[in-house]
Amino acid sequence: DAGVTQSPTHLIKTRGQHVTLRCSPISGHKSVSWYQQVLGQGPQFIFQYYEKEERGRGNFPDRFSARQFPNYSSELNVNALLLGDSALYLCASRGGTNEKLFFGSGTQLSVL
Amino acid sequence: AQSVTQPDIHITVSEGASLELRCNYSYGATPYLFWYVQSPGQGLQLLLKYFSGDTLVQGIKGFEAEFKRSQSSFNLRKPSVHWSDAAEYFCAVVEMDSSYKLIFGSGTRLLVRP
Repeated sequence: DAGVTQSPTHLIKTRGQHVTLRCSPISGHKSVSWYQQVLGQGPQFIFQYYEKEERGRGNFPDRFSARQFPNYSSELNVNALLLGDSALYLCASRGGTNEKLFFGSGTQLSVL
Repeated sequence: AQSVTQPDIHITVSEGASLELRCNYSYGATPYLFWYVQSPGQGLQLLLKYFSGDTLVQGIKGFEAEFKRSQSSFNLRKPSVHWSDAAEYFCAVVEMDSSYKLIFGSGTRLLVRP
């Protein structure tokens, strides 16, 4: 069975550009969450979506947005990129009442 | 607000030696606690979880953790470390309001001496 898949695996952008990161959850999982992991730190919660509705948002500026599609895949969008947005972006999915989050391998974003 | 503290940034142990990684949490109710492991440039793999019941939980790869409410701790242990255990280890607590999110500690990097 496929796990959580993220694309692309690596991305290089320049300041001010826009980026879209994609995530496909485990089949049957309806909840998708996004986390940002800056080098040397633990992941920080950005968004959670369930059944295409936003259920939670972390302490991130409005430049960060996300959405979930009818097939439960998700996109994370970041506008007006800053150097500080350079990080590993992790997607996680969760099924039903299962308390476990399953993480993808992440997208490494470098902003130059 | 909920928080997780991992007081050790780096730990170095010799292969075959025992290991204990410390984790302290701040949470008002009975916490849901996790330990994850991350290899360089990779995502997070769940080692074990505690929700309720037996305070000593067994995980994958020979790891175990003990929940101690009186000390607000959830320390990770392994009796004999293998070189392949070298990685970053994260403790996390679930925060449930309208969402389901993990609050992570800052991580402990484990180095294994041959």
